[in-house]
Amino acid sequence: QVELVESGGGVVQTGKSLRLSCAASGFTISNYGMHWVRQAPGKGLEWAAVIWSNGIKKHYVDSVRGRFIISRDVSENTVYLQMNSLRPEDTGVYYCARDLSYYSSSDWGQGTLVTVSS
Amino acid sequence: QSALTQPPSASGSPGQSVAISCTGTSSDVGGYNYVSWYQQRPGKAPKLIIYDVNKRPSGVPDRFSGSKSGNTASLTVSGLQAEDEADYYCTSYAGSDNLGVFGPGTKVTVL
Repeated sequence: QVELVESGGGVVQTGKSLRLSCAASGFTISNYGMHWVRQAPGKGLEWAAVIWSNGIKKHYVDSVRGRFIISRDVSENTVYLQMNSLRPEDTGVYYCARDLSYYSSSDWGQGTLVTVSS
Repeated sequence: QSALTQPPSASGSPGQSVAISCTGTSSDVGGYNYVSWYQQRPGKAPKLIIYDVNKRPSGVPDRFSGSKSGNTASLTVSGLQAEDEADYYCTSYAGSDNLGVFGPGTKVTVL
């Protein structure tokens, strides 16, 4: 069955970097768009970044563009989110999700918590 | 990347129906039939309950239904049950050059 397992979250100071990983099983990531969705404490959901199935087309929310990079390793069946120049407002739970049909995702990871301290 | 608009809260008694609106623009909700709805309970990952405006994933009760008219999509929960108490988020595709957008969420309370 499909499983997504995020890792790499933690506590980091403002301006530092973190790399999140999303290990997928039960399907091949090169056949699907893959999302990172984030949720600040007590706030709503936000599409942070997506890498589409061709591996070339990527989109980012304005607040992370130029600081975050989404990538994938097909041989490892893993999606990454490299987060640089982190800010306190990047604090939250980061979920990995598989795209079913243009931003509909029936498969989600358990989430990994990122805390950026000032 | 403008967010969609949802009412902050909605409520109903068990057995009643509740409808949640999701208003966007012709560049997102009105322009494509790619509106999805998610249910999220506290501390849990979101759960897809409607996709492509009105399709239900396997296992989602038919008490949940979706529709769209112009730039506004709607989620209706019929026959409310205590377990339906959660936050509900809509989201829409916004074109091939843009990231999708979420609404701010609607908290549904079962009275």
